[in-house]
Amino acid sequence: RKEVEQDPGPFNVPEGATVAFNCTYSNSASQSFFWYRQDCRKEPKLLMSVYSSGNEDGRFTAQLNRASQYISLLIRDSKLSDSATYLCVVKGSGGGADGLTFGKGTHLIIQP
Amino acid sequence: ETGVTQSPTHLIKTRGQQVTLRCSSQSGHNTVSWYQQALGQGPQFIFQYYREEKNGRGNFPPRFSGLQFPNYSSELNVNALELDDSALYLCAALPGLAGGSSTDTQYFGPGTRLTVL
Repeated sequence: RKEVEQDPGPFNVPEGATVAFNCTYSNSASQSFFWYRQDCRKEPKLLMSVYSSGNEDGRFTAQLNRASQYISLLIRDSKLSDSATYLCVVKGSGGGADGLTFGKGTHLIIQP
Repeated sequence: ETGVTQSPTHLIKTRGQQVTLRCSSQSGHNTVSWYQQALGQGPQFIFQYYREEKNGRGNFPPRFSGLQFPNYSSELNVNALELDDSALYLCAALPGLAGGSSTDTQYFGPGTRLTVL
């Protein structure tokens, strides 16, 4: 079983729609959770951290369910500029020295 | 801007050769990590340095080695290159020690795209 699993997509979504991504992780001792965004041939950039209480940043909402080891990202009122690959990222409990564990990413295409 | 730079941007090598990739970060970025991202995959953790000491390693063979210098620069060395080493190599830096009470967010450089022929 992969450590972090995501649906690779692509998700083709019309502009203005709401889109949701899901991610599951296998290490129950994981401590920190993130969504990164990666544009084609660019480096990953932090989109938002994910907390158990859920958190929102503008049109983006992230949720964490520790019991189910499940992370989600919701994008409302999608824009053309949201087209990118969204990476689900988990960090373990090894004092941070085990690095970040990335999913393969979900490719999102917003269509005009 | 993340304050993390990498060189070179692109590199072409042949199988069996050795390569050195470089990363520079701003003052105070005591922790640096290196990742390999193959096409269609997420980045994979290679290793991490904190104040010039390696304090974490992923599942990569010993021919992947590194150094961190006092001026917040870092190197990734790969010996005996194989075709499967073709990838985007990313350097990530953050202040403090990754984990514990320090910030968990890591900021990535633009990467070096290595092609092995």
